[in-house]
Amino acid sequence: DGGITQSPKYLFRKEGQNVTLSCEQNLNHDAMYWYRQDPGQGLRLIYYSQIVNDFQKGDIAEGYSVSREKKESFPLTVTSAQKNPTAFYLCASSIQLGQAEAFFGQGTRLTVV
Amino acid sequence: GQNIDQPTEMTATEGAIVQINCTYQTSGFNGLFWYQQHAGEAPTFLSYNVLDGLEEKGRFSSFLSRSKGYSYLLLKELQMKDSASYLCAVYYGGATNKLIFGTGTLLAVQP
Repeated sequence: DGGITQSPKYLFRKEGQNVTLSCEQNLNHDAMYWYRQDPGQGLRLIYYSQIVNDFQKGDIAEGYSVSREKKESFPLTVTSAQKNPTAFYLCASSIQLGQAEAFFGQGTRLTVV
Repeated sequence: GQNIDQPTEMTATEGAIVQINCTYQTSGFNGLFWYQQHAGEAPTFLSYNVLDGLEEKGRFSSFLSRSKGYSYLLLKELQMKDSASYLCAVYYGGATNKLIFGTGTLLAVQP
């Protein structure tokens, strides 16, 4: 079945370490997005990519990095420069938002210990 | 910024009707989405408004007024399973192709 997969579902990291969150989709979507969600809040855009080898910063890109080497994959690295990394991270993809909605992965809950 | 605002929490009774508002201070967007999100899960698509007016899909309807800067999601015949967060999101198309979410509204449906 086609879909978007995030792994792992739960992730623990020691303070000061970098960690990479995986996002893979087999929907043949061009656009992919990373959002962060804090308790009781909406989604805030971290990075997004409209096409392979291209990506743009969202509203809260500081302390994060991404790559888009393949159409199917858009990994997010949470670096040690991110001061408050504990959050729920959601990846999404879309074929073209003006024509169809964005599909979301099940999310990764990152906890810094 | 886009300043997309929603009430933080709402409570309604099973079988009733509830309206969740979304106000924004932005322009030049292509359309407005509504998503439903149960706790700890991924958001799922509910509706998309491009033109002003009401879009009806079963128990859920969504309204957009660009001139007044607001949208609302109307849920009829509420069921317990409708307890969730409801997120509105503004879509900027063209070269931007960006989806910006509001603060989200947590709806609690009571018996």
